[in-house]
Amino acid sequence: GENVEQHPSTLSVQEGDSAVIKCTYSDSASNYFPWYKQELGKRPQLIIDIRSNVGEKKDQRIAVTLNKTAKHFSLHITETQPEDSAVYFCAASRAGGATNKLIFGTGTLLAVQP
Amino acid sequence: EADIYQTPRYLVIGTGKKITLECSQTMGHDKMYWYQQDPGMELHLIHYSYGVNSTEKGDLSSESTVSRIRTEHFPLTLESARPSHTSQYLCASTRQGREKLFFGSGTQLSVL
Repeated sequence: GENVEQHPSTLSVQEGDSAVIKCTYSDSASNYFPWYKQELGKRPQLIIDIRSNVGEKKDQRIAVTLNKTAKHFSLHITETQPEDSAVYFCAASRAGGATNKLIFGTGTLLAVQP
Repeated sequence: EADIYQTPRYLVIGTGKKITLECSQTMGHDKMYWYQQDPGMELHLIHYSYGVNSTEKGDLSSESTVSRIRTEHFPLTLESARPSHTSQYLCASTRQGREKLFFGSGTQLSVL
């Protein structure tokens, strides 16, 4: 089955700096890679996703890159703000089928210091 | 309002008790999932369902069981709770053909 590894487990940055979180996956058939943000005491929410037919996707201050050959993908947050502080999860799945299931990475606790 | 609801939000019980964690969604989603979230953050898939009368075990072995008698309802049951079951349980759902998961607020279970 799919296995997703995520690094680092904790990340502390100064407000305004950039943050990068990296994930690797094992199943070469995976084609959908979302990122979820979970603020303290709240439910995880999708912030951005990418499919295997593109190499990069941006949405304002966040971007995700995908390297299918190396089977890794990364989340980039620029101009970090205190409200970016949360746990971020990457995930992978074989989308498009009737039986796809999302497997999550181990999470990264991002702390943005004001 | 269309959403996914979990009850109870918090549950503290003694060892050996039978418990059922409720999960209901009003979005008409076909697929539903249960994730167990460790205190150290990891999200582990323990059960999933692709429709009524369909249930499968996830990648993390769990002593819990689930049922899917109605599309909107996906309860999780522990026949005899133990301290090792202490964790947060998150329910999620999505529509057939879509991948975005909608999560419930979770049930924080503590077994004494």
